[in-house]
Amino acid sequence: LAKTTQPISMDSYEGQEVNITCSHNNIATNDYITWYQQFPSQGPRFIIQGYKTKVTNEVASLFIPADRKSSTLSLPRVSLSDTAVYYCLVGDWAGNFVFGPGTRLSVLP
Amino acid sequence: DTGVSQDPRHKITKRGQNVTFRCDPISEHNRLYWYRQTLGQGPEFLTYFQNEAQLEKSRLLSDRFSAERPKGSFSTLEIQRTEQGDSAMYLCASSAVGTTSYEQYFGPGTRLTVT
Repeated sequence: LAKTTQPISMDSYEGQEVNITCSHNNIATNDYITWYQQFPSQGPRFIIQGYKTKVTNEVASLFIPADRKSSTLSLPRVSLSDTAVYYCLVGDWAGNFVFGPGTRLSVLP
Repeated sequence: DTGVSQDPRHKITKRGQNVTFRCDPISEHNRLYWYRQTLGQGPEFLTYFQNEAQLEKSRLLSDRFSAERPKGSFSTLEIQRTEQGDSAMYLCASSAVGTTSYEQYFGPGTRLTVT
C-alpha cells in the first residue's frame, strides 16, 4: 500500500491561496490520488481526485507531476470555513488505499 | 436523498460487551465501506462491500470485528467482547456504480466509548 507524507499543520490568512503537498514515492501504476476534507465530529468529504497532470473543480485544483510521486492540493482564496484537516489518499479502485496523516489547516482572519 | 446515515451516533459500553452499529448508504450506491478513526489520526480502512459481497476483510482489526450487508442495502458492524482500545469513531461511507472508489460519501459516524 502506498504511504503518504503531508505537513502536519499549516496556517494561512483569509483570501490567500493555500497549497498542500503530499508525497507518495511508492505510488503504483493503478493508483489514483484523492483529497478529502474533514471538520471536527464529521465524516470526511471528497474534494478532488486525479491521476496525472492537473485537475480543477469548483473548489480546488490538484497538480500532479509527471512522475506522480507527489501531488499538490491548491485552495484558492481560503476563508475561515476552510479550517479543517485535509487528507491525501493514494490507492486503486479495489479498496487498496490508506488515508494519510492529514494536514491541519488553520485559516486566520 | 438524505445521505449516509449511521445509528447510533454515540455508544457507551462496558468492556466485554458486544456492540453493533448500523449504516444506511445512499440508496443507489452499491459500494459500502467501514472505517475506524481514533483521535488525531486519519480514518483506518476496515472492510468493503460491493452489493452484498464483502470483497475485502483482511484489514478488519481482529476476529472480534465482523461486518454484514445481507441484502446489499444497509450494513452492520459488530464488535464482540469490546476492549478499551476499541474506543474510536466508526465511519461508514458509500459510493456509486460507475465511479472510482474514491468518490465516497461518509456518514456522521458512531462514536464508541468502552469503559
